Amino acid sequence: GEDVEQSLFLSVREGDSSVINCTYTDSSSTYLYWYKQEPGAGLQLLTYIFSNMDMKQDQRLTVLLNKKDKHLSLRIADTQTGDSAIYFCAESRAAGGFKTIFGAGTRLFVKA
Amino acid sequence: GAVVSQHPSWVICKSGTSVKIECRSLDFQATTMFWYRQFPKQSLMLMATSNEGSKATYEQGVEKDKFLINHASLTLSTLTVTSAHPEDSSFYICSARASGTSRMGSDTQYFGPGTRLTVL
Repeated sequence: GEDVEQSLFLSVREGDSSVINCTYTDSSSTYLYWYKQEPGAGLQLLTYIFSNMDMKQDQRLTVLLNKKDKHLSLRIADTQTGDSAIYFCAESRAAGGFKTIFGAGTRLFVKA
Repeated sequence: GAVVSQHPSWVICKSGTSVKIECRSLDFQATTMFWYRQFPKQSLMLMATSNEGSKATYEQGVEKDKFLINHASLTLSTLTVTSAHPEDSSFYICSARASGTSRMGSDTQYFGPGTRLTVL
């Protein structure tokens, strides 16, 4: 299957950490991505991780991958109001011509 | 970073007319471009994969005669919505995957800002 699942909403207070979770079903996924979409705008690639990695950190963003459980998470440290957006988890694999399958997106609300 | 542009950013048209949307990779060559549509508050749904110099590959349920895709060069793909109807109103987003030999790497897609189509 090609399902990617995410929770739909997350609400945090400004300054707290946000953790957005994602599960996928295809064990042959090669790359896993996190995209951010602000209202009325296109997608912004935040970060990606290869399937042979467990963790990737980029400034306030930390991606954790549990390949055994097919679980991906995105942690945003010191969440700011500007982080309010929809976050999409996505996976692709080279064998599929890098066709990317997206989750439904998690809407992050940051309360001041 | 890599830039992908789309034109127009929004368009309003009458039912029955055709609309062309352009997707350009501005600072890299893209052998493969993807077209998605996104309904309000929903995820992106892949419509088709566009390969330079060959026919597009359409996802199941997408009418190839209605959504014409042309990938004329390594930096340009076009999506034409023919005989548009109100149910075609949506946010259309393209992405471009860098060629394997480009400095951008071969495994990353870069998304355009999207085109909002409203059919009256």
